[in-house]
Amino acid sequence: SAVISQKPSRDICQRGTSLTIQCQVDSQVTMMFWYRQQPGQSLTLIATANQGSEATYESGFVIDKFPISRPNLTFSTLTVSNMSPEDSSIYLCSVKTGGNTEAFFGQGTRLTVV
Amino acid sequence: QQQVKQSPQSLIVQKGGISIINCAYENTAFDYFPWYQQFPGKGPALLIAIRPDVSEKKEGRFTISFNKSAKQFSLHIMDSQPGDSATYFCAALYTGNQFYFGTGTSLTVIP
Repeated sequence: SAVISQKPSRDICQRGTSLTIQCQVDSQVTMMFWYRQQPGQSLTLIATANQGSEATYESGFVIDKFPISRPNLTFSTLTVSNMSPEDSSIYLCSVKTGGNTEAFFGQGTRLTVV
Repeated sequence: QQQVKQSPQSLIVQKGGISIINCAYENTAFDYFPWYQQFPGKGPALLIAIRPDVSEKKEGRFTISFNKSAKQFSLHIMDSQPGDSATYFCAALYTGNQFYFGTGTSLTVIP
């Protein structure tokens, strides 16, 4: 299993500013994942973060808007840049273990942009 | 394109009743089908999962029924309790690749 600590748990931000979300895992993992969860919608994968290489972004998400850092095997950050109200959502950090089939999630960061 | 379709969007069940949530998928390469439970303010947590070579898996009050030919699977919660009130997500995965999640079902169990 894996225990994931995600910070902050929530924040209210002004439009045009940036917020960095931190994700700390209690064990070393190869891949970390960042999801967005909008109300009433599915979890949408933003990007996959591998240690020592550039993150891989899904269609509709770009590095300039969502820069990701992965400095070591237990930590990652996601920055939401130049925020607008449309970025208001829950952002989740996740890792996979258990033979690459079981996903573990942080508690999420509830972001409100005003 | 939604890879996994989930219904209903919301569900209200009396305490002691059976809650049933359904999911359907298209990609026959999927080989792992988990269900996640999410309480408010928490991240999703694995509840139960099944592989397509099995038609049913039961863990306590939770059962997954899997119909490979119909490409459908469902979660049954027997003797539903108010503590089961949460959002449930089905998902599908083919090993080594990303998860595809359903849109979620908000379950409310009325005492």
